[in-house]
Amino acid sequence: SQTIHQWPATLVQPVGSPLSLECTVEGTSNPNLYWYRQAAGRGLQLLFYSVGIGQISSEVPQNLSASRPQDRQFILSSKKLLLSDSGFYLCAWLFGTGVHGYTFGSGTRLTVV
Amino acid sequence: AQSVSQHNHHVILSEAASLELGCNYSYGGTVNLFWYVQYPGQHLQLLLKYFSGDPLVKGIKGFEAEFIKSKFSFNLRKPSVQWSDTAEYFCAVNLMSGGSNYKLTFGKGTLLTVNP
Repeated sequence: SQTIHQWPATLVQPVGSPLSLECTVEGTSNPNLYWYRQAAGRGLQLLFYSVGIGQISSEVPQNLSASRPQDRQFILSSKKLLLSDSGFYLCAWLFGTGVHGYTFGSGTRLTVV
Repeated sequence: AQSVSQHNHHVILSEAASLELGCNYSYGGTVNLFWYVQYPGQHLQLLLKYFSGDPLVKGIKGFEAEFIKSKFSFNLRKPSVQWSDTAEYFCAVNLMSGGSNYKLTFGKGTLLTVNP
């Protein structure tokens, strides 16, 4: 069965520090992968998506970047965190066409202090 | 760009009351429509989806939603809510734009509180 792993679950980082959040998918190949940020009252905002290794599309300009070094690995990074980067980050994957919906990871609660 | 509007930010109901959460989207092409639910402290879970056929879609836990193309709406309904339905509900739209670059656009969510 397909599963999605996301870590860490919670993270507290100082302003100006780097960030690396990792997401891996098991039991599937060539998935579409997505990073979303969830903020209270603002729903889920799509940050990045990837349709294959090394292919990254950015949805919003910001202090973050994403990489896909392997087929089933998707990494969200920042060189220097800002207070505004605090939030709940969700990784999601999609296999095949869009009719089957997306499967979400458990999320990472990032607090920048 | 497509957008999804959920009209109610917070809905408070008593148990056994009927529920209807509104969702409208702005895209005029072919879409897939979804409702996701997030129970307190849990993952986002798929509640139901529409991609073709009967516009009345039935999901888990007694929820249903009706796709009305002329109104660009996909409202979620449940005839009798329970305390365990307390959660945040998200409507989402997936553009059928061809290729594999599908992107799910979410509404801002509706927090449902059901009082016992």
